[in-house]
Amino acid sequence: KNQVEQSPQSLIILEGKNCTLQCNYTVSPFSNLRWYKQDTGRGPVSLTIMTFSENTKSNGRYTATLDADTKQSSLHITASQLSDSASYICVVSAGGGSQGNLIFGKGTKLSVKP
Amino acid sequence: GAVVSQHPSRVICKSGTSVKIECRSLDFQATTMFWYRQFPKKSLMLMATSNEGSKATYEQGVEKDKFLINHASLTLSTLTVTSAHPEDSSFYICSAIRSGANTGELFFGEGSRLTVL
Repeated sequence: KNQVEQSPQSLIILEGKNCTLQCNYTVSPFSNLRWYKQDTGRGPVSLTIMTFSENTKSNGRYTATLDADTKQSSLHITASQLSDSASYICVVSAGGGSQGNLIFGKGTKLSVKP
Repeated sequence: GAVVSQHPSRVICKSGTSVKIECRSLDFQATTMFWYRQFPKKSLMLMATSNEGSKATYEQGVEKDKFLINHASLTLSTLTVTSAHPEDSSFYICSAIRSGANTGELFFGEGSRLTVL
């Protein structure tokens, strides 16, 4: 069964600190893995998309890694800001092309405190 | 960057009425759009896949007669909640895949909050 599991479920950190969110998946065949940020009451916004051959991709203070062998991905946030408080969702695409089946993780809720 | 617009962002209606939510891709064509429902503090739940020019594909447990989806053009999909009940109150989000992109980049709308009284 295709699944995407994220950890931790929630996380509280102090402003300026770094943190790492985890995403483990059992999806086959694998197409790509995406990280989204969702502010409360808003739609998700794309942070990164990685295909099988990509190990690391950065978007500002966000750096995503992908280990296709162990089927694990992480999202590292550097020098956190209050505006980073949001839910972070890992989405894995199964199958080929743009019509691939999308498997959503339940998200990690990050709270950055002053 | 690509933008997906939803309208309305908030809607309040009475039980028994129908509500239509629009999802538009503003600067790209989208042959496929997705509709999701999200309860408070929960993850997105895929309701249906909307394909331009054909019938939508509904996920198991989603009533197709309750949630009518029409994808009439490459830039517009609509979700109509028919005979709304208070339990239909939720946050509805659409997304669209940019046609032709190798990785099928997915863009989400801002969401529409439905409250049924």
